Amino acid sequence: QVQLQESGPGLVKPSEILSLTCAVSGTSISTYQWSWIRQPPGKGLEWIGYVYYTGRAYYNPSLESRVTISVDTSKNQFSLKLSSVTAADTAIYYCARLYYDYSFNSWGQGTLVTVSS
Amino acid sequence: EIVLTQSPGTLSLSPGERATLSCRASQSVRNKYLAWYQQKPGQAPRLLIYGASSRATGIPDRFSGSGSGTDFTLTITRLEPEDFAVYYCQQYGSSFTFGPGTKVDIK
Repeated sequence: QVQLQESGPGLVKPSEILSLTCAVSGTSISTYQWSWIRQPPGKGLEWIGYVYYTGRAYYNPSLESRVTISVDTSKNQFSLKLSSVTAADTAIYYCARLYYDYSFNSWGQGTLVTVSS
Repeated sequence: EIVLTQSPGTLSLSPGERATLSCRASQSVRNKYLAWYQQKPGQAPRLLIYGASSRATGIPDRFSGSGSGTDFTLTITRLEPEDFAVYYCQQYGSSFTFGPGTKVDIK
């Protein structure tokens, strides 16, 4: 059974870079695609982007200028970097597996990242 | 970008009742790339339905999805206590978008 676990700082200062990692277990990261999704407290879900095991990534156009998603097949994990953060980037960040039919069929538990000085 | 609208915003029902949730897209969703998720407080979303009408692994058969084009429906035939939650639809076109959610709460 696939399991995903997010990790990274829970507090980031404005204008800095938000960095998170998702460790994947129970399957090889070289299958399927892997995604980041976020949810501001009390609000809805926003797709950030996804990455293939080859490293090719696709991003939400609204975030594309600030986002980089990368993969490390040797560690079976993938990562998110979001630059120039503001308070509007405060959210629970989830990593998820993107299935062949473009649904997200496995999710991490999520990690809250607060942007504040 | 395809915008998803969900209705109603809140659905107040009693256990045992039938719930019908709507998801409408601003453009046709190709290949029925439409999914439904359930989210309970403090938890990650859980996939219920993919491909508009296929139940995900382990999802009870009281959950069903239907629709095509721009109009999709999630039906819960008999609400169990654990079904009271927020439900999101999600589509894939050239990008991924989620609807704003429908909260199903206890009447």
